[in-house]
This record gives sequence, structure tokens and C-alpha cells, in this order.
Amino acid sequence: GENVEQHPSTLSVQEGDSAVIKCTYSDSASNYFPWYKQELGKGPQLIIDIRSNVGEKKDQRIAVTLNKTAKHFSLHITETQPEDSAVYFCAASPPRKNDMRFGAGTRLTVKP
Amino acid sequence: GAGVSQSPRYKVTKRGQDVALRCDPISGHVSLYWYRQALGQGPEFLTYFNYEAQQDKSGLPNDRFSAERPEGSISTLTIQRTEQRDSAMYRCASSAATGTGELFFGEGSRLTVL
Repeated sequence: GENVEQHPSTLSVQEGDSAVIKCTYSDSASNYFPWYKQELGKGPQLIIDIRSNVGEKKDQRIAVTLNKTAKHFSLHITETQPEDSAVYFCAASPPRKNDMRFGAGTRLTVKP
Repeated sequence: GAGVSQSPRYKVTKRGQDVALRCDPISGHVSLYWYRQALGQGPEFLTYFNYEAQQDKSGLPNDRFSAERPEGSISTLTIQRTEQRDSAMYRCASSAATGTGELFFGEGSRLTVL
């Protein structure tokens, strides 16, 4: 089955700096790669996703890149703000199966 | 509200007791998922349903765990003869379509087995 690894486990940046979180996956058939943000006491919420037919996707300060050959994808947050502080999870899902697998998470802290 | 609703939010039980965790997905959502999330970890897949059919239960740890969704809406995750290692946050999620798409998570049921 799919195995997703995520790095780093913790990340601390200064407000205004960029943050990058990286994930690798094992199943070359996976074709859907979402990123979820989890705030304290809440369930994960989707912030951006990418499908395997594109290499990059942007949504304001957030971008995701995908390298299918290397089987890795990354989340980029620019101009970080304190409210970006949360735990971020990457995930990968193969076609025909809905058993999305998650990484272990990255705790991002943005210092004002 | 219109989100995924889980109950109970907190459950403390003694080892050996059975527990039932309930999930009420977003109305009309076809797919329903159960995940287990240990502290400091990502959600771990347990099982999922499309409508009332259980499509994949490969993530259920052992035969003490079972899930059902008899009418294609509300689902129940049952853990029999609970053990301390079952203590975790159990999260339910639903999605609108059977293909890959956004999962909407509930706030979870925190189970503590003493």
C-alpha cells in the first residue's frame, strides 16, 4: 500500500519568511495529493491539492509542486503570518481506491 | 450545523468494555471514512464506505474493530473488548464523490481506555 513520509516534523520561521514542507510517496499509481491544515482542537481542513497531470498549483500565498518521477511533492507558504501556525499534513491517494494515506505532519510555528 | 458530526466527543471506558462511535456525515456525501489519529501523528486509515457498502477495511487493526453504514448515511465504528492501546482520537470524514476529492473531517471522538 501507499506510504507517505513528511519532513520536517517541526518548522519555526519568522513572520514574513517562507516555509517549505516536503513529502515523498511510494505508490507510483497515486494521482491525488492534498495538503491539510489542522489547528488545535479541530479536524484537518483542506488548503490545497494537486493532481498528477500538473506540476505546480498556486493559491495566493500557498503553492504546491509535484515531481512524479521522484515521487515527491512540496508545500510552499510565502509571506508567513502568525495565523499560519498549525500542523500541516500531506496525503496521497491512488486512483480507484479512496484510502488516502497521510504523512505524520509538520508543526509550523510562525513567530511574530 | 452542516459539517461532519461525531459523537461522543469524549469517551472514557474501562478495559474490556465495548464502545460505539458515531459519525453523521455531510448530507448527501457518498463516501465516509474512518481514521485514527494518535497524538503527534497523521490520520491513519481504518476503513471507508461508498453509500452503504464497505469498500476497504484493510486498515482496521484487528477483528475487535468493525464499522457499518447500514443506510448509507450515519456510520458507527465499534470496538469490542477495548484495550489501552485503542486509546486515540477517532476521526470521521466524508466526501461528496466516490473518486478522490476533498475530505471533510469531523472534530473527532477521543477515546481513553483505562
